[in-house]
Amino acid sequence: NAGVTQTPKFQVLKTGQSMTLQCAQDMNHEYMSWYRQDPGMGLRLIHYSVGAGITDQGEVPNGYNVSRSTTEDFPLRLLSAAPSQTSVYFCASRQQGGVQETQYFGPGTRLLVL
Amino acid sequence: AQTVTQSQPEMSVQEAETVTLSCTYDTSESDYYLFWYKQPPSRQMILVIRQEAYKQQNATENRFSVNFQKAAKSFSLKISDSQLGDAAMYFCAYRSLLGYGNKLVFGAGTILRVKS
Repeated sequence: NAGVTQTPKFQVLKTGQSMTLQCAQDMNHEYMSWYRQDPGMGLRLIHYSVGAGITDQGEVPNGYNVSRSTTEDFPLRLLSAAPSQTSVYFCASRQQGGVQETQYFGPGTRLLVL
Repeated sequence: AQTVTQSQPEMSVQEAETVTLSCTYDTSESDYYLFWYKQPPSRQMILVIRQEAYKQQNATENRFSVNFQKAAKSFSLKISDSQLGDAAMYFCAYRSLLGYGNKLVFGAGTILRVKS
């Protein structure tokens, strides 16, 4: 049971380049989400999904796209990277609903946009 | 929209001593969850403790306990017998039970330094 995995761990992009941050979980969780972490601002929600085929925007969705074709995978796409997207990105998953839910986080992807 | 405020950017504590990290939140809802997460230098987010708002009893997990004051919208974390391994960034987070998605709203974090 690997939990939540993210690739790559670190990436450098040039302004205007595109890339996909990968996220996968093997816990059969319905709910998956992407956060970005910036100094002094905590973690902010980018996009989330409550199941395959269902996604929605979070607090800071501009510049990012997501899709959810399977329960396991929830990739985050940057179509045209900007320096403002330099951040650490976390993927997280949990069961949807339930009282004793625990949100599991991936190890993070550090992205530098030059 | 809910907001979470951590007013202490940085705190220090002597090993074996007790430290309290502050968190306040703003919400109009009556039922919700509150969390404290620890983020060590490895950047891994680790759940420390969870509190359901409908429970009056304060949650405890070994050396970690909370002081939940619902009327004051305050949710502080107390770490007893501090250890060097407690040094990390600590985030307070709020989760609504209403609506679609039930996202976590995080505070800006408090850096905890532990002195030997």
